Amino acid sequence: EMQLVESGGGLVQPGGSLRLSCAASGFTFSHYAMNWVRQAPGKGLEWISYMSSVIRDPVHYADSVKGRFTISRDNAKNSLYLQMNSLRAEDTAVYYCARENTGSGLFDYWGQGTVVTVSS
Amino acid sequence: QVVLTQSPSASASLGASVKLTCTLSSGHSIYRYGIAWHQQQAEKGPRYLMKVNSDGSHSKGDGIPDRFSGSSSGAERYLTISSLQSEDEADYYCQTWGSGVRVFGGGTKLTVL
Repeated sequence: EMQLVESGGGLVQPGGSLRLSCAASGFTFSHYAMNWVRQAPGKGLEWISYMSSVIRDPVHYADSVKGRFTISRDNAKNSLYLQMNSLRAEDTAVYYCARENTGSGLFDYWGQGTVVTVSS
Repeated sequence: QVVLTQSPSASASLGASVKLTCTLSSGHSIYRYGIAWHQQQAEKGPRYLMKVNSDGSHSKGDGIPDRFSGSSSGAERYLTISSLQSEDEADYYCQTWGSGVRVFGGGTKLTVL
């Protein structure tokens, strides 16, 4: 059974940092591009970052997080990460990892999400 | 950059059919874009429903009922749900990509009456 399980969310003060993890199982993780998507309370889905299956390929970020967030992956550990620095109140959201269907740019599997709250 | 536009809300009666629309707009070549449809029920994470190609063909995710289908016309991509059930009440998002970024529509909140 395919699974994506996010972890690492929590309460953090403005200006602080968090590192999210997404553990993948049930498929060959190294073959797939992966993404992070977030959803602020009461709002729609917002894509925030993409990483190819090929680690050396360019990564992409939404303008809202560029320069503050860093996506990475460890194919040996079947894991995707999101390092979040300089956090702001507007980063408060549920964060999801999503698998991308090979070559299509389209997401075909989602995790259940982890909650990040940025507040003093 | 590609922009996806969805109506904020839709409603239909139990047992009826509903067709949700996702409209693509961009500088050029939008007609070739495929999209994905995702469903998000209340208090749950998103769930992939299907991919809809520019030629109108579609491929569904695992376990998605036959009541869900996709189609396409020009810059519009559709999700049709027939024989509506109460559990179909949810937010529906379309998604695509372009120039490295991934894009979501604003979502359509479907109410089953």
